[in-house]
Amino acid sequence: DIQMTQSPSSLSASVGDRVTIICRASQDIRNDLGWFQQKTGKAPRRLIYAASSLQSGVPSRFSGSGFGTEFSLTISSLQPEDFATYYCLQYNSNPFTFGGGTTVEIK
Amino acid sequence: EVHLVESGGGLVKPGGSLRLSCAASGFPFNIAWMNWVRQAPGKGLEWVGHVKAKSEGGTTDYTTPVEGRFTVARDDSKNTVYLQMNSLKTEDTGVYYCTTGYASTWYYWGQGALVTVSA
Repeated sequence: DIQMTQSPSSLSASVGDRVTIICRASQDIRNDLGWFQQKTGKAPRRLIYAASSLQSGVPSRFSGSGFGTEFSLTISSLQPEDFATYYCLQYNSNPFTFGGGTTVEIK
Repeated sequence: EVHLVESGGGLVKPGGSLRLSCAASGFPFNIAWMNWVRQAPGKGLEWVGHVKAKSEGGTTDYTTPVEGRFTVARDDSKNTVYLQMNSLKTEDTGVYYCTTGYASTWYYWGQGALVTVSA
């Protein structure tokens, strides 16, 4: 199985900060990676697909990059509604696997 | 408007069975890969399994902990995907979400069904 290692597991940031979350795959997954946001008690919402394509309706402050084994999700200017947990998911090889999650908290 | 509505969750004893349903509307269900994802209480997300569109073979894949116990099936005439869960274990407890395929530009998800496996 492909292991997805996400870092950091949590971070504290202020409104307006630039935040970057990293996801590393244990083997080459090309660009078959998505990023998801989950707020407490809610279903996860997809932000990014194909590593860098912004999901329709998602604010442009979210961006994704990477190819192969290293990927990142960047929030250019953190907003109050962005405090949540973020997950990466590889869908290159079965079984699909999620990263462990990054919780973004208010500083 | 798109809807994905899970049903069939509940309390079941270890070793028991449960079948979840996910009724879809508002998008071309017959060409969608359909996934099940779960989340144990206080834990992260875990992909459970999927069924491909019939036009792509309609085959299924699963994560290792559920292989041989869970079955994903689809009924395109009813726009519904199912998750049959047998030989349930306490560690299967969690919220189960159905979602559309990850490679598509469009993506939809349900609000989840709670499954509790407890004696």
